Amino acid sequence: GAGVSQSPSNKVTEKGKDVELRCDPISGHTALYWYRQSLGQGLEFLIYFQGNSAPDKSGLPSDRFSAERTGGSVSTLTIQRTQQEDSAVYLCASSYYTGELFFGEGSRLTVL
Amino acid sequence: DAKTTQPPSMDCAEGRAANLPCNHSTISGNEYVYWYRQIHSQGPQYIIHGLKNNETNEMASLIITEDRKSSTLILPHATLRDTAVYYCIVRVVYTGNQFYFGTGTSLTVIP
Repeated sequence: GAGVSQSPSNKVTEKGKDVELRCDPISGHTALYWYRQSLGQGLEFLIYFQGNSAPDKSGLPSDRFSAERTGGSVSTLTIQRTQQEDSAVYLCASSYYTGELFFGEGSRLTVL
Repeated sequence: DAKTTQPPSMDCAEGRAANLPCNHSTISGNEYVYWYRQIHSQGPQYIIHGLKNNETNEMASLIITEDRKSSTLILPHATLRDTAVYYCIVRVVYTGNQFYFGTGTSLTVIP
């Protein structure tokens, strides 16, 4: 595709449910990032994938959060047992090796 | 990565130059300065980056002081569509590490 694609664009879920957010990076980009942005706040780094290297998970806020990247392309961010404080926009970005980031439009998660 | 300090908000008159400052006093010799902006409800957009020389592209100019402890992003003729949050980031390139975004400067262009 022409840009980074994220789905769903909006997700409303009930507290305690699991959610999966998907990111399709730009074709050929080796690096993929997940960020979280709460209302009125800056971007909070979550996790980073680069090629076949082990991902940098240092930003994941708890063990309820996990992410995988299959075949070096599509990535899925999973949040288990969602809490209200997980409500935010989840942004995915990709880059060619360590070049500038290209962001998707984000997935807005609302936990009731 | 070095931390950056930016004013939380700024105003600029439409058609005037917008000068957005950033302090990065602990920047290392191999760290680049990057600028991104985020227009409301959209993903951040790359603007420009540089190491020590001033840079210019179709969007903006980046002025980096000689000691590299601060920089200024210049939007030469601000328009209403430039209203956004502007993030200044310093980052080592070619090591594959992540970008750390601060809280940025909220720029409002006034008609």
